[in-house]
Amino acid sequence: AQKITQTQPGMFVQEKEAVTLDCTYDTSDPSYGLFWYKQPSSGEMIFLIYQGSYDQQNATEGRYSLNFQKARKSANLVISASQLGDSAMYFCAMREATDTGNQFYFGTGTSLTVIP
Amino acid sequence: GAGVSQSPSNKVTEKGKDVELRCDPISGHTALYWYRQSLGQGLEFLIYFQGNSAPDKSGLPSDRFSAERTGGSVSTLTIQRTQQEDSAVYLCASSLAWDSGRYEQYFGPGTRLTVT
Repeated sequence: AQKITQTQPGMFVQEKEAVTLDCTYDTSDPSYGLFWYKQPSSGEMIFLIYQGSYDQQNATEGRYSLNFQKARKSANLVISASQLGDSAMYFCAMREATDTGNQFYFGTGTSLTVIP
Repeated sequence: GAGVSQSPSNKVTEKGKDVELRCDPISGHTALYWYRQSLGQGLEFLIYFQGNSAPDKSGLPSDRFSAERTGGSVSTLTIQRTQQEDSAVYLCASSLAWDSGRYEQYFGPGTRLTVT
């Protein structure tokens, strides 16, 4: 089974509107972490937000929030008030513990286009 | 302070040659990671270092790939006898020590490797 699944290859959103990017994950590790990264066309990966599996509250960072539904194994990214600069690829990722430390898994990404 | 730097930014090599890719992490970051991103794909986790040791090498695609880190800082990813399927962008990232509870990774700009 895929560790991280992003089912939306491409999304469009009107400027100033909110958008939700979907991510589901699969792990049996009780202590895991979930991340979202942004990759603009320039290529550099930019950390956006982190959610630990034991965190009770949904993580928020400015206009980014992570809608964490543990029972559904879902970690959707919500971007409020979209801006043109939000146009990029967005990757969901997971850290899980292994016998030797940690493993990191990335989804295949969602391409977001913000329309003026 | 300075971010993660990688060199070279681009490398074109002939099939069968060896290549070395270098990563300079953020000062004070004890964890260092190597990923590979093929065109239009997500990230493939290759290896990580905690300090100078790499506890899990299972992500390396074949025994032609090796990585080392010296002095808890600079890391080198070496690919021997390169093949065309090795063509990709190789990304390096660093983060604080895991016992800090902070796992977000800061990425370098990548090395684009083309094997002809």
